Amino acid sequence: QTVVTQEPSFSVSPGGTVTLTCGLGSGSVSTSYSPCWYQQTPGQAPRTLIYSTNTRSSGVPDRFSGSILGNKAALTITGAQADDESDYYCVLYIGSGIWVFGGGTKLTVL
Amino acid sequence: EVQLVESGGGLVQPGGSLRLSCAASGFTFSNSWMSWVRQAPGKGLEWVANIKEDGSDKNYVDSVKGRFTISRDNAKNSLYLQMNSLRAEDTAVYYCARAQQLLYWGQGTLVTVSS
Repeated sequence: QTVVTQEPSFSVSPGGTVTLTCGLGSGSVSTSYSPCWYQQTPGQAPRTLIYSTNTRSSGVPDRFSGSILGNKAALTITGAQADDESDYYCVLYIGSGIWVFGGGTKLTVL
Repeated sequence: EVQLVESGGGLVQPGGSLRLSCAASGFTFSNSWMSWVRQAPGKGLEWVANIKEDGSDKNYVDSVKGRFTISRDNAKNSLYLQMNSLRAEDTAVYYCARAQQLLYWGQGTLVTVSS
């Protein structure tokens, strides 16, 4: 059973920078896991931010960036805005056509 | 503009069946993997299944294997999820999404399994 880990919650000040991470219960995340990131506000469908580690989806501002930091995938938000307050999910490709989501990070902007 | 519209959700008794549909437009459906993702009330996202462009490859999360079947009709630009032997824990909003990387999402359809 593959476990994908995310911080349950995080807080950032308006205008600040925050990095959310996506790890594996055992092992390191690399680009071969093709990490993707999604933003979701209550009652709405998820919105795709980043795919294939660091490719921004259409219309996503460049304040959002994806990378590999150490042994985890990372989503960095620079110049945080009030409407960035959302749940953020990562998903990893673990092979054989199977993908696994992390539990999500609730980001508060205050 | 890419559009994905799910339908077919509703209330079903445990052990029952339901077939979800997803109507796609705004892209070449027959050239795209498609996926289903679900979200139980108040919980996180869970990847459920995906299907290759021509339907020749299908993959499922362990918890639905043998109960759910993903399929597609490229002539109708439609994706389906046949759900059998439904359980209370299958209660969720079900989203269809374009590609393995879930590049675009529909608005979802709610499935409630309850007696």
